[in-house]
Amino acid sequence: GNSVTQMEGPVTLSEEAFLTINCTYTATGYPSLFWYVQYPGEGLQLLLKATKADDKGSNKGFEATYRKETTSFHLEKGSVQVSDSAVYFCAPQGSARQLTFGSGTQLTVLP
Amino acid sequence: DAGVTQSPTHLIKTRGQHVTLRCSPISGHKSVSWYQQVLGQGPQFIFQYYEKEERGRGNFPDRFSARQFPNYSSELNVNALLLGDSALYLCASSDDRGRFGGYTFGSGTRLTVV
Repeated sequence: GNSVTQMEGPVTLSEEAFLTINCTYTATGYPSLFWYVQYPGEGLQLLLKATKADDKGSNKGFEATYRKETTSFHLEKGSVQVSDSAVYFCAPQGSARQLTFGSGTQLTVLP
Repeated sequence: DAGVTQSPTHLIKTRGQHVTLRCSPISGHKSVSWYQQVLGQGPQFIFQYYEKEERGRGNFPDRFSARQFPNYSSELNVNALLLGDSALYLCASSDDRGRFGGYTFGSGTRLTVV
């Protein structure tokens, strides 16, 4: 089955800093790749996605590029805000369309 | 439009009891998946249903079962509850089994087993 390795947290940044959260995966074939975000006390929200190699997903200033060669899908944002504080999950999609989540990366942005 | 709705939002059960969790997908979505999220961890896949048929099952014991109804709503049942079943149970719906659009998650049911 699929597996995911995410950058361990917690990550603490100052407002307007640059963010990178690394994600590498193992999977059969070429799965769709997703980043989900979970705010405190809430369920998961889809942040962005990429469905084939070299696709770039983007949303709310966040970006991630599907790198087939390195089996990676790193999340980046040029300038984080306090409101970005949350837990971020990388998730490839399996052959049965199920999502395999990483352990999550806790991000705290300080004003 | 209503999102994915789950009920109840919280419940407390005693070891050995049975629990039923409910999920209503977004209108028009025919796929429902269930995930278990233990505190501090990522969600783990339990089941996926599409068009009322089971399409995938994760590595969970037979105490866990689910079904999908003609209106595409779903129930997750857990028998003989253990303390380790305490978790946030998330339901997710999709119109294409998540292939291109991903899944929309509900806010979850927080189950505490004492």
